[in-house]
Amino acid sequence: LAKTTQPISMDSYEGQEVNITCSHNNIATNDYITWYQQFPSQGPRFIIQGYKTKVTNEVASLFIPADRKSSTLSLPRVSLSDTAVYYCLVGGDEKLTFGTGTRLTIIP
Amino acid sequence: DAEITQSPRHKITETGRQVTLACHQTWNHNNMFWYRQDLGHGLRLIHYSYGVHDTNKGEVSDGYSVSRSNTEDLPLTLESAASSQTSVYFCASSGLAGNSYEQYFGPGTRLTVT
Repeated sequence: LAKTTQPISMDSYEGQEVNITCSHNNIATNDYITWYQQFPSQGPRFIIQGYKTKVTNEVASLFIPADRKSSTLSLPRVSLSDTAVYYCLVGGDEKLTFGTGTRLTIIP
Repeated sequence: DAEITQSPRHKITETGRQVTLACHQTWNHNNMFWYRQDLGHGLRLIHYSYGVHDTNKGEVSDGYSVSRSNTEDLPLTLESAASSQTSVYFCASSGLAGNSYEQYFGPGTRLTVT
């Protein structure tokens, strides 16, 4: 399974765009990149998934360069409710391997 | 609406006792998973199932067992609870839709082994 590396923590002010980058140098050809969000005392929640280039949904964008060795989750105009832990996962089947994630704190 | 539920939400048990945590989903998903999460750590996979009568070990399966007799349920059993198994346990399910591996997580069960 591909190992991922992401910052342990990040702070940002309300209203700003936040970019969280994940490194996955050993990603395999069949692997997808998936991001989850977890609030305290809750289970993780799916945010977005991609294979290459750019994916956008109603809450986030995912940028994946051509070599796929990294990816960037972009959260537009964050609010206090975006304070959470964000996990980057890489895998090619239904199993997920969670790292320790990035603890994002939004400052008023 | 479809959902995934876990019971109990909180459980205190003694070392050596057998404990079963329930997980029930109404998504009609084939895939179900059990994870544990310890303070300051990510989630670690305990067991998973890709369908009825299918079970597989995850990275931290020692001391745990599961069985899948129907699509909706995947109970997790701690054969002889140990203090090291004090943790928050999350159940999840997924069903392949296109290329999505989106998992839906339950609310978690906080287990304390004294």
